Amino acid sequence: EAGVAQSPRYKIIEKRQSVAFWCNPISGHATLYWYQQILGQGPKLLIQFQNNGVVDDSQLPKDRFSAERLKGVDSTLKIQPAKLEDSAVYLCASSLDLTSGRAMGEQFFGPGTRLTVL
Amino acid sequence: LAKTTQPISMDSYEGQEVNITCSHNNIATNDYITWYQQFPSQGPRFIIQGYKTKVTNEVASLFIPADRKSSTLSLPRVSLSDTAVYYCLVGERGGGYNKLIFGAGTRLAVHP
Repeated sequence: EAGVAQSPRYKIIEKRQSVAFWCNPISGHATLYWYQQILGQGPKLLIQFQNNGVVDDSQLPKDRFSAERLKGVDSTLKIQPAKLEDSAVYLCASSLDLTSGRAMGEQFFGPGTRLTVL
Repeated sequence: LAKTTQPISMDSYEGQEVNITCSHNNIATNDYITWYQQFPSQGPRFIIQGYKTKVTNEVASLFIPADRKSSTLSLPRVSLSDTAVYYCLVGERGGGYNKLIFGAGTRLAVHP
């Protein structure tokens, strides 16, 4: 079974530039998550989708970050414009779980995209 | 302010049992406690999940007291390959949905 795919794996940009990350979850997984993981910290949930609806985006900096999940399958996370403090690994995860807004259910993580903002 | 807290680091030796505790005093009553393992340059990987009392699988055990405000991940007879960062994940009470909160992680170093 194919895992969660993310691209690109690495990205270096200058501050104030834009960047987009793509995620393809495991086939059939209803729930998709985007996390930001700053070096030395635990993942922080940015946004959680169930199918193509948003469950939780309370920690998404909406003035610069946006995310969409078209047709309830793959997803794109965008940063525009980027700041130095956005340097982090952006992790995408998916789960079968259909229980909205709960931690139950195993999340399968992709390898992440390492973003460096100069 | 409610937090999910874990020890920053732990050291152990091959063959020993390791116990890592996570405190989560704002856990939602209807949510589970999940533990993940993460190696460098990889995404976290599921280890075990539980709601109350004790859960055991082929790699770990999870102990959860009755008040569910903490949990302990137990790794029996660790090996060098268990050197990694371990995270607890809980759903905390929110308005209408549970906020998913990862702990800051415990860096486990297993020595020969």
